[in-house]
Formats: sequence, C-alpha cells, structure tokens
Amino acid sequence: GDSVTQMEGPVTLSEEAFLTINCTYTATGYPSLFWYVQYPGEGLQLLLKATKADDKGSNKGFEATYRKETTSFHLEKGSVQVSDSAVYFCALSDLWGSNYKLTFGKGTLLTVNP
Amino acid sequence: GAGVSQTPSNKVTEKGKYVELRCDPISGHTALYWYRQSLGQGPEFLIYFQGTGAADDSGLPNDRFFAVRPEGSVSTLKIQRTERGDSAVYLCASSNPTGLAIGTDTQYFGPGTRLTVL
Repeated sequence: GDSVTQMEGPVTLSEEAFLTINCTYTATGYPSLFWYVQYPGEGLQLLLKATKADDKGSNKGFEATYRKETTSFHLEKGSVQVSDSAVYFCALSDLWGSNYKLTFGKGTLLTVNP
Repeated sequence: GAGVSQTPSNKVTEKGKYVELRCDPISGHTALYWYRQSLGQGPEFLIYFQGTGAADDSGLPNDRFFAVRPEGSVSTLKIQRTERGDSAVYLCASSNPTGLAIGTDTQYFGPGTRLTVL
C-alpha cells in the first residue's frame, strides 16, 4: 500500500536558518505529492504541491521538488522565520489507486526561535 | 469566503455514548472527506463522499462509525457506543473537482473536532 515517511521531529532552528524536512514515499501508482502545514490552533492548510515528476512546488518561500528516481519530496526554505513554527505534514494521493484519498506522514514539529 | 467549518470544536463524552460530529464544506464543493488524527500521527482517511453518496467508506474502522450527507452539502459523522480508543481529532475536508484527475485537487480542511471519550 501507499505510505509516507518523513523526518521525525521536533526540529528547532534559529531565525534565518536553512530548513530541510525530508519526505520519502511508497506508492503503487503515480502519486501527486503535497505538503500541508498546521499552525498552532489552526486547521491543516495546503502549503504546496507537485503533480508530476520533476515539478517544483513553491509557496511562502518554501520549495519541494518531486523526485521520482529517489521517491522523495523534501521541503526546504532558505531562511526561516518565527512565524514558520508549525507542524508540517507530507502527503500523497495515488492517481492509479484511490486517488481522492490523502495518505499522510506523521508530521514534523518545527520551532523557530528568535 | 467561508472555509470548512466543523461543530462542535470539542466534544467530551462517556464510554458507550452516541456522538454526532458535523461538517459544513465550502459552498459548491461536491467532494467531502473525513479523516481521523490521533495524537502524534498524521490524519488517516475514513470516508469520501461525491455528492450525496459515500463513494468509499473503506477507512471506517468498524460498524460503530457511520456518515451521511443527505443533501450533498453538510455531512454528519456518527459514532455509536463510543470507546476510549475513539478519542482523536476528527477532520473534515472538501474539494471542488477541477476536471483533471481528482488526486491533484486541493483538499481544504476544517479546524477539526476534538473528541474525548472518558
């Protein structure tokens, strides 16, 4: 079955540091890949997505590239801010399976200190 | 515009009781999903509606769980004879199929209902 494995947290960084959160996946078909973010006290929000190999999703300074050869979708940001503190979830939907169903990783808690 | 709303935000109940959790999707969204998020885990799929019908309920853990969407808008997740293991945050999401593969559509999530079974 489909699965997502992401870097375990928590991750603690200082403001302006570089961020990488690793995400790898297993899928029976051809997945679309997503990063969702959950800010304290709020619901899940889509951060970015990529629907085919080599696509790069980007939003709010975050980027992730869909790498089919390494089955990865690592999240990066060049300079984090305190306001980026949140839980980040990597997810996939498999276009050849139940393609409406999102499969999530366990989440990575990021704390950015001033 | 208004996002996905869920009520109540918190529900505390006793073991064995019946609960209903409500989801109001974004207006016009035909697809609706329920997920369950246990502490320290990512959300897990429960059920998917396209319009009024449950297109896939394979994620419901057992027959104590049931969900309806009678008019193709609001949905209610119903849990009978609640157990302590049902304690979790129940998330609802909706999407508007773009005509491309639905797997590429963005799902918009509500804030969730935190269910605690004592």
